[in-house]
This record gives sequence, C-alpha cells and structure tokens, in this order.
Amino acid sequence: LAKTTQPISMDSYEGQEVNITCSHNNIATNDYITWYQQFPSQGPRFIIQGYKTKVTNEVASLFIPADRKSSTLSLPRVSLSDTAVYYCLVGDAISGGSYIPTFGRGTSLIVHP
Amino acid sequence: ETGVTQSPTHLIKTRGQQVTLRCSSQSGHNTVSWYQQALGQGPQFIFQYYREEENGRGNFPPRFSGLQFPNYSSELNVNALELDDSALYLCATKISGGAEETQYFGPGTRLLVL
Repeated sequence: LAKTTQPISMDSYEGQEVNITCSHNNIATNDYITWYQQFPSQGPRFIIQGYKTKVTNEVASLFIPADRKSSTLSLPRVSLSDTAVYYCLVGDAISGGSYIPTFGRGTSLIVHP
Repeated sequence: ETGVTQSPTHLIKTRGQQVTLRCSSQSGHNTVSWYQQALGQGPQFIFQYYREEENGRGNFPPRFSGLQFPNYSSELNVNALELDDSALYLCATKISGGAEETQYFGPGTRLLVL
C-alpha cells in the first residue's frame, strides 16, 4: 500500500503563498495523486489531481517531480477561509483490480490575519 | 455542493446494535466508496462498490458490509457495534473507467456508539 506522509501542521498569513508537500515513496505506476480540503464536520472537498509534472486550476497548483515520490500543493495568496485540513491521497491499484486508496493524517493549515 | 447526499446526518446507537447508513451518488457516478474518519484522523477506506459488487476493501472486519443498488445508491451496514465505531462515516462517488478518477464526498454521517 502506498503510504503518505505530510507535515502535521502549518501556519501562514493572509496573502502569502503556501506550499504543502506530501511524500509517497511507494506510489504505483498507475496511481494518481489527489489533494482534498476538509473543514470540521464536513466531507473532504476535491482540490486538484495530477499524475506527473505540473497541474494548475483556478484554486491551486500541483507539482510532481519526475520520480513521483512526492508532490507539492501550492495555494496562492491564502485567505482566512483557507484554514482547513489538507490531505493528499494516492490510490492503489493492486493486482486483480482491487482499489485501496490511502489517506494520510493530513496537514492542518492555519491562516492568520 | 457535490451532489452526494448521506443520511442520516447524526445517529446515536448503543454497543451491540446494528446500523445502516445511506448514500445517494452524484448523477452518473457508478462507483461508491465508504470511509471511516475518527476524530483527528484522516479518512480510512472501508470498501468500494462498482456495478453492485465490492471491488476493493480496506482493513475492516466482516461486520462492516455494504450494498450498491442499480441506481448507484449505496448502504453501509455495521453489525455488533463497538465503542470504537464512533466516527464520521463518509461516502464518495466517482465515474470509473476514465483517465482520471476523482472522488466526490458527501457531508458524512456522525455515528456515536454508547
């Protein structure tokens, strides 16, 4: 199973760029990397997904090096409403087609005024 | 809003009882996964259903079982409830078979076992 490791917490200030890195040394060849945001007592919300190199959407960028053993979520110019827990998810597709996605413990981001 | 709904929103049960949680998928999503999230932890994968059959299971005992119906809605059943089963239960739906398989989560059901 591909395990993920993230920093437990991060602090930032409004207007700054925040980069959260996730390590996934055992990522499988056909695994995508997905990042989610979660507020208390709510379900995780999809932020961005990628396979390699760089992906950008309206809210974030995802950087994935060539070896794919890590990924970095970049949030430009954070605001107070970005205070949440951020999870990276690596999906496992083991033999036989069985699917076992693995979440890490997440990174608690606190944005200060 | 993801279009994924779960019911009930909250539930209180006692140890040894059985519980059924329900999930309605986003339109067209043929795959549903269930997760257990304890306080302060990341979601833990329970199992996934595709075309009404289980095709992936995490490290959960057989007393955790599920169903997926022809309209892609789903149920999670937990028998012989234990205190440690208290958690937020999340379902997530997606379309399998595409190049990228993005899951969309429901709001969850908060289960408390006394």
